[in-house]
Amino acid sequence: DIVMTQTPSSQAVSAGEKVTMSCKSSQSLLYNENKKNYLAWYQQKPGQSPKLLIYWASTRESGVPDRFIGSGSGTDFTLTISSVQAEDLAVYYCQQYYNLYTFGAGTKLELK
Amino acid sequence: QVTLKESGPGILQPSQTLSLTCTFSGFSLSTYGMGVGWIRQPSGKGLEWLANIWWDDDKYYNPSLKNRLTISKDTSNNQAFLKITNVDTADTATYYCARPDYYRPYFDYWGQGVMVTVSS
Repeated sequence: DIVMTQTPSSQAVSAGEKVTMSCKSSQSLLYNENKKNYLAWYQQKPGQSPKLLIYWASTRESGVPDRFIGSGSGTDFTLTISSVQAEDLAVYYCQQYYNLYTFGAGTKLELK
Repeated sequence: QVTLKESGPGILQPSQTLSLTCTFSGFSLSTYGMGVGWIRQPSGKGLEWLANIWWDDDKYYNPSLKNRLTISKDTSNNQAFLKITNVDTADTATYYCARPDYYRPYFDYWGQGVMVTVSS
């Protein structure tokens, strides 16, 4: 089983701040045949279903603001929000789809 | 427009079998590459993938729950189903269905979720 570890578990932020959160996998998510990393990021607001933000580690889903930036390769990945807005307060999950599916435990963004 | 909606019993007793239905529109499980997955989330906790079914009837299960799960589909009615046998309180959660496809195997569309409580 691939284990996904997210840090921090929670983070207090102010509007306008740059935020980074980490996701590490227990084995590489890079598929050598197509050079793609099988890693997605989701945003979940209270009372809502998860929403896809990023796939293939760095491709933004249609309609997702460009302040959301996914990066990384292999086993180490990062989601950056370049300038946090109030509507970005949520829990963020990474997910591997390299071998079945596993989610990380999430990073909760809270207001400072 | 892709939509998915889950339905279930709401509440059931320990040792019973949980039956969930995902009714979807905007795609077909008879189309090459399409799939439906089930994911659950206990209140205040994280997401756990349970199972996927694909257009060709291929099925994949979470290894930790595999012996209790059965996923199936009704292509003509645009529905997918999940059964979980021998439930206990640890199966209390919101259950989501979501769509992956063969070329985009992450979940790009999600249902609103259905809350299931296991209680005696």
